[in-house]
Parts: sequence; C-alpha cells; structure tokens
Amino acid sequence: KNEVEQSPQNLTAQEGEFITINCSYSVGISALHWLQQHPGGGIVSLFMLSSGKKKHGRLIATINIQEKHSSLHITASHPRDSAVYICAPGPGAGSYQLTFGKGTKLSVIP
Amino acid sequence: EPEVTQTPSHQVTQMGQEVILRCVPISNHLYFYWYRQILGQKVEFLVSFYNNEISEKSEIFDDQFSVERPDGSNFTLKIRSTKLEDSAMYFCASSAHGRNTEAFFGQGTRLTVV
Repeated sequence: KNEVEQSPQNLTAQEGEFITINCSYSVGISALHWLQQHPGGGIVSLFMLSSGKKKHGRLIATINIQEKHSSLHITASHPRDSAVYICAPGPGAGSYQLTFGKGTKLSVIP
Repeated sequence: EPEVTQTPSHQVTQMGQEVILRCVPISNHLYFYWYRQILGQKVEFLVSFYNNEISEKSEIFDDQFSVERPDGSNFTLKIRSTKLEDSAMYFCASSAHGRNTEAFFGQGTRLTVV
C-alpha cells in the first residue's frame, strides 16, 4: 500500500508569493498526478509526470522517482489559486489505481 | 476541451434503495474509473474498468457495487442497497491508455443517503 504524505496540510499566502507543496510516497510508481479540488468538490487534473519537471502557466511540478518525492510550485500566487492541491502517485506495477494524499489547503489572501 | 461529465450532480436517496450514478467519459478513452470521497477524508479508489470488464477493484468495492458500460458512451456505478456510510462524493475518471496516461476527472456526484 502506498503511503502518501503531503506538506504542509494548510498554507496561507499573500498574493504574489511563491508557493511550494511537497509530496512523498512510499512505493515506487511510474507516474504521479497533481490535482486541484475547489470548494464545490470537483477535481481537475493539473499535471501527470513521470520524470523531471513540467510547467503550465504559473504552475511547475517536479518529481524525483528514485527519491519518491514530488513538488508543486505556484509562482506569483493569486486568490483564485485558493483550493486544495492533491498529490496522487500511481499507478504502480500491476495496478491501475491512483493513491491520493490528504491534500494541501491553500488560501491566497489579496 | 473534452471533459468527463457526471449526472446527477447531487442525489438524495433513502437507505436500502438502489442508486445508479452516471458518467460519460472522454470519447476516445479506453480506461474508466470510479473513486469516492467521504466528507473530510481523502479520495479512495473503487474500481477500474477496461474492455468491458473490471481490471482492478478495492476492498471497498464489495458485492453491493457494480459497474457497467451499457452503451458506447456511458459508464455507470450501481449501488444495490445503499447504506448511510455510502454517503460521499463519487468521481468518475477516464484515461486514454491506462497506466502512464493522464486521468481526467468528472465534477462528481454527491450522494446523500438518509
């Protein structure tokens, strides 16, 4: 079973700040998703990555498969970035499922 | 942009009743999933489905649950006899090729069992 740890659990930032959310997991996987969940509950996929770094607008995700660690960075944060950010490693070998972290609740204050 | 759609967005049902949650995956995707999120908890995997059969299921997915792809577009989750603890947000997802391809999620169906 893949144990997923995200930090921090809660994060409050001032608009414009650079934000980092970290994710560690225990079982080797081939790829990892970063997802965003808004207060209404819907889940949006931000990234799937299996190595290195990906960038989409102000969002940057990095992964080190050997160290079982990934980070999500938000540059020039904005109040509309306020949401829960979830790391979901997987699938692993012989599996199709993603294992979800508990999420990081981000609040960006104007 | 293609998206996964789920209906209804919210369903209230009485304990013991059967419910069917519906999903329309992205049209060229081959792998389909159901996840659930009990209020305040993390998202949990229920089942994956490929080529008209279950490819993987979790311990949560017991005999009261079933999935079906009744036609070329819909993917359904049936809960046979709902319990109070089935109250949760249920998410459908799809991916093009299974492992190592990005999964796309629907907006969820909030199921409330009373």
